[in-house]
Amino acid sequence: GQSLEQPSEVTAVEGAIVQINCTYQTSGFYGLSWYQQHDGGAPTFLSYNALDGLEETGRFSSFLSRSDSYGYLLLQELQMKDSASYFCAVRDIAGGFKTIFGAGTRLFVKA
Amino acid sequence: GAVVSQHPSRVICKSGTSVKIECRSLDFQATTMFWYRQFPKQSLMLMATSNEGSKATYEQGVEKDKFLINHASLTLSTLTVTSAHPEDSSFYICSAGTGEQYFGPGTRLTVT
Repeated sequence: GQSLEQPSEVTAVEGAIVQINCTYQTSGFYGLSWYQQHDGGAPTFLSYNALDGLEETGRFSSFLSRSDSYGYLLLQELQMKDSASYFCAVRDIAGGFKTIFGAGTRLFVKA
Repeated sequence: GAVVSQHPSRVICKSGTSVKIECRSLDFQATTMFWYRQFPKQSLMLMATSNEGSKATYEQGVEKDKFLINHASLTLSTLTVTSAHPEDSSFYICSAGTGEQYFGPGTRLTVT
């Protein structure tokens, strides 16, 4: 099976940098994704890492270490609108590349 | 980018009735689509993998006879919640894509 662990909640102030860690266990790892979800909305894609290293997209960066089964999402220059839930999700080769989500990290950005 | 649509966005039904939710890939073909369910303040739980032209693959604990999935074409998968009960009230989301997963906007089901 698959399992993912990420912190349940993180609080930070506007303008700060926050890192959300994710560790995973899966037998057929294909890639690690990050999604943002605001209350009442559907998840929106933030980033995807299939290979080790850092992927940068604007204020958001994502890192993957396959040997450590670990990744993180880095959010810089935090804004109030970044307050949301963030999910790491592992893409698994087994069963047709299904995506399994972590429990989510609730980010609260304070003024 | 690729777009996945869902219909309806919101539905209210009475207990014991059935509800069909459609998931469409608008600008790409999807031989595989995924159905998720999300309860308030919880994560997305994968329910099943919808396979075009063949039977869906259900995750452990998901009732096949209750959640009927049909993937009749390369752009359409449907999820039918049969004999719905209040505990089936949830946010149902579909996704498709081989690399990046594209999610539909979700369907909020309320069973009264």
